[in-house]
Amino acid sequence: DAGVIQSPRHEVTEMGQEVTLRCKPISGHDYLFWYRQTMMRGLELLIYFNNNVPIDDSGMPEDRFSAKMPNASFSTLKIQPSEPRDSAVYFCASTNLPGRSPLHFGNGTRLTVT
Amino acid sequence: GENVEQHPSTLSVQEGDSAVIKCTYSDSASNYFPWYKQELGKRPQLIIDIRSNVGEKKDQRIAVTLNKTAKHFSLHITETQPEDSAVYFCAASKGGFKTIFGAGTRLFVKA
Repeated sequence: DAGVIQSPRHEVTEMGQEVTLRCKPISGHDYLFWYRQTMMRGLELLIYFNNNVPIDDSGMPEDRFSAKMPNASFSTLKIQPSEPRDSAVYFCASTNLPGRSPLHFGNGTRLTVT
Repeated sequence: GENVEQHPSTLSVQEGDSAVIKCTYSDSASNYFPWYKQELGKRPQLIIDIRSNVGEKKDQRIAVTLNKTAKHFSLHITETQPEDSAVYFCAASKGGFKTIFGAGTRLFVKA
């Protein structure tokens, strides 16, 4: 398996623009997580899905952030409009059973908003 | 909700010495405790994990201990090498729920 695949690897955009991050989980993994990593706040859970259904989005910072999982092999995290404070590395991770199996992380998307 | 605290935030050791990183968790229902290593510019990757029905687990130079009563678990790295230098994260989760990470420990191993 190729592992969790995220795109793009790097994204540089101007404040106010829409940003879409993409993730393909490992086949057979029913759970998908979006994390944001910054020096100040560490690894923050934004939202997670089970069988394509959002289970907990309490970590989504504000209405500018939205996430979807239209099918078992694809998820998006959208920021609209983007702000400089959104600059971070965004990781997608998947697992077949949280609480018994580890998370498998993608390589992340480094977002810079100028 | 679950909260995981991790100490120290930075740890510097001499090559060959041992390193210990400690974490505490708040939710007594948490039953799975993985440890991840993140090298600079890379993704977090699992190095060892432990479940709540086990008190200790070892894999070559790394070991993890769990004290359920105290809600405390620790990572032990023996005979440290320069390639062990990285950020280490502890985490806690329970079946079907989200994984919460500690703040991370930056380990420096001096040659």
